[in-house]
Parts: sequence; structure tokens; C-alpha cells
Amino acid sequence: LAKTTQPISMDSYEGQEVNITCSHNNIATNDYITWYQQFPSQGPRFIIQGYKTKVTNEVASLFIPADRKSSTLSLPRVSLSDTAVYYCLVGPGGSQGNLIFGKGTKLSVKP
Amino acid sequence: DAGVIQSPRHEVTEMGQEVTLRCKPISGHNSLFWYRQTMMRGLELLIYFNNNVPIDDSGMPEDRFSAKMPNASFSTLKIQPSEPRDSAVYFCASRTTGLQGYNEQFFGPGTRLTVL
Repeated sequence: LAKTTQPISMDSYEGQEVNITCSHNNIATNDYITWYQQFPSQGPRFIIQGYKTKVTNEVASLFIPADRKSSTLSLPRVSLSDTAVYYCLVGPGGSQGNLIFGKGTKLSVKP
Repeated sequence: DAGVIQSPRHEVTEMGQEVTLRCKPISGHNSLFWYRQTMMRGLELLIYFNNNVPIDDSGMPEDRFSAKMPNASFSTLKIQPSEPRDSAVYFCASRTTGLQGYNEQFFGPGTRLTVL
């Protein structure tokens, strides 16, 4: 499974756009990039997944360059409730494998 | 849908006792995962099942840990005997594997285990 590297922590203020970048230099051809969010005392929750280019849903956007060696999770106009740990995961889809969670990025949103 | 159900939510036990954690995955999901989370080691995958069959148990720390999935709607994680270093939050997650590239796992609320 591809190893991922992301910042340990980030600070932001309410209303700002937050971009969290993840490096995955040894991503394989059949790997997908998935982001999860975890609030204190809860299990992780799926946010978004992509393979290449850009993916957008109601929560976030995911930008993946052509070489796929990195990805950026973009959270528009964050609020205090977006304070959480964000995990970047890379792995094969479907029944081919599982996901390995790293340490994640602890995002702190301040008023 | 009730989501993934775990029980108990909290467990306090003494060293040497047997501990059994239970999980009911979301109906229709055919993959089930057991994770352990601590401050020091983060979120670690212990074992996962596809269609009730254990696929990868390389994350199970030692023989004191065992997991079973007797049917599609129930799984257990057992620790016997328990030790203080087993104290952690244990999560169960499930997903469907019918969609290529779709890795969304649905996590339960976790069981906070404290071994004294």
C-alpha cells in the first residue's frame, strides 16, 4: 500500500478556505485516493474519493494532479465544527484491499 | 438504517480477564474491519473479513487477540487474557465491495476499553 505524508496539524479561522495536501509518491495505477474526517470520540467518516483530476461534493473538493503523486483536500469556508482530524488514504478499490490510516492532519478552526 | 452497531460502548476490566467486543455491520455490507486507536499508534487495522472470511489478520498484535464472523450480521473481537496495554478505542467498520474503486467504510461509535 502506498505511504502517505500529510502535515501533522493546521490552524485556520472561520470562513477561510482550508487546503490540506497529501503526498503519495509511490501510488500504484489501481490506487484511489480517499479522505476521511474524524471528530473526537467518534469513528472516522468518509469525505471524498478520487482517482484523477478534480472531484467535488457537498462537503469538499479533491484536487489530483496528472502525476497523482499528491492530492489536496479543499474545505470551503470552514466553521468551528470542521475542527477534526483529516486522514488521506491511498489504496486499491473494491474487494482488492483495505485502507491504512496514518496519523492524519489535526485541523483546528478558531473563531 | 441504524449504522454499524458496537457493544459495549465502554468496558472496564482487570488485567487477565477475557474481553469480548461485538459488532453488527450495516445490512448488505460484505466487508467488515476491526481497528484499534490509541494516542501513540493512531488508528491501526487489526483484521478484516470479506463475506465472513478473514482475509488479512496481520494487524492482530498477538495470539491473545482473536476475531470471528459467524455470519454476515455479527462479528466479535476477543482478548484473552487482557493486559493494560490493550486499553484503546476499538472500532468496527463495514463496507460494500460491489463498486470498483469505492472505498467508503462506515464506522461504528467504538468501544472504549480500559484494562486496569
